[in-house]
This record gives sequence, structure tokens and C-alpha cells, in this order.
Amino acid sequence: GQQVMQIPQYQHVQEGEDFTTYCNSSTTLSNIQWYKQRPGGHPVFLIQLVKSGEVKKQKRLTFQFGEAKKNSSLHITATQTTDVGTYFCEGYNFNKFYFGSGTKLNVKP
Amino acid sequence: NAGVMQNPRHLVRRRGQEARLRCSPMKGHSHVYWYRQLPEEGLKFMVYLQKENIIDESGMPKERFSAEFPKEGPSILRIQQVVRGDSAAYFCASSLMTGAYEQYFGPGTRLTVT
Repeated sequence: GQQVMQIPQYQHVQEGEDFTTYCNSSTTLSNIQWYKQRPGGHPVFLIQLVKSGEVKKQKRLTFQFGEAKKNSSLHITATQTTDVGTYFCEGYNFNKFYFGSGTKLNVKP
Repeated sequence: NAGVMQNPRHLVRRRGQEARLRCSPMKGHSHVYWYRQLPEEGLKFMVYLQKENIIDESGMPKERFSAEFPKEGPSILRIQQVVRGDSAAYFCASSLMTGAYEQYFGPGTRLTVT
């Protein structure tokens, strides 16, 4: 069946370094969403990507959707300690939702 | 404008008891989703419901688990005869419509089975 794989599982960075997490789907997605979950908290919606090749930016965060709509990435420039948390992607296709396993980001001050 | 509400926030049950988790979606949202998250793991989709209909329950265990979203009132996730492996955080999310609309998550119910 369809799956969304997310890598890496963990990432430890020094404050100020960049961070990227990747999601790859086995089949084409209609759209993809990104969420952030702080430790002990609940997922919070960050962005939705719909179009092939779409790039969206939110301050230090850059989101990309691949041309084939099968992969996506989230890049954080110059991480801060407030970026700590787990970042999930969620693909949608034909009334079904596929969550990536998440990338847990730890930022050392 | 209240967000997604879940109660209880914490629930402790002994093995063999029943657990009932409630979710009130955001105002105007008619689509509800339930997810389970084991400690240190990602979210696992369980079930997607619209009012009075189950759209997709492919992620829900075949036995002991059931979900409903009645015409009036909250969505209920029911776990019968709980076992220790059911201990997890259960998140509910709602959306205005499906597919092209983001999901808003509730604070979750942390279920502990003793």
C-alpha cells in the first residue's frame, strides 16, 4: 500500500545550523501538509502544498513539493532553540491520509 | 473561537475496562480524524468520519475499537476491554472539508492502562 517515508528520524544541531527533513511517497499525492509537535504537545499545522514544484516560505522555514508530487522537504535556516520539536509530513490522496514517522529536531544552544 | 476539544485529557483504566474518548471539533467543521501516538513514535491514522458516517477506518484495529460521530454531540472513540498495549496518546483533529483543508488537532487524551 501507499506509504510516506520521512528521514531522518532524529537530527541534533547546534543553534544557528540549518536543518532539513524529507518526505517521500511511493505514489503521487494530491497535496501534502506539514505539522510541528512540541514535546508533550499536539501537532500544529504549518503549511499545505498543493501544486507540483511549489515552494513556500515562512520566515526561516522553506517548504518544497516535488515536481512529481511524490516528495517534499522542510528546510529551516539558522535554527533556534524554539525550533525544537518533531516535524511531521502528511500526504493526502483519494480520501486517505498518510503521516510520515516524523523527524525529531533537537537544537543545542 | 474554541479549537478542537478533547476530554478527558488523561484517562487511567485497568485492563479489561472500557475507555471512551470524546472529541468536539472546531465550530463549523464536519470532518473528524482520530490518530494514535505511542511514546516516542509518530502519529498513526485510525479513522476518518463525517457526521454519521465512517469514511475510512483502515487504520483502526478490527476488534475492540469503534468510533462514531453522531449528528448531535461529540465524536467518540471507544476501546473495549483495554490492554496495556492500548496505552498511548489519542489525538483528534477536525477540518472544514477533506483533502484540501488543513487539520486542526486537539490537545489529545493520554490513556494509561494499568
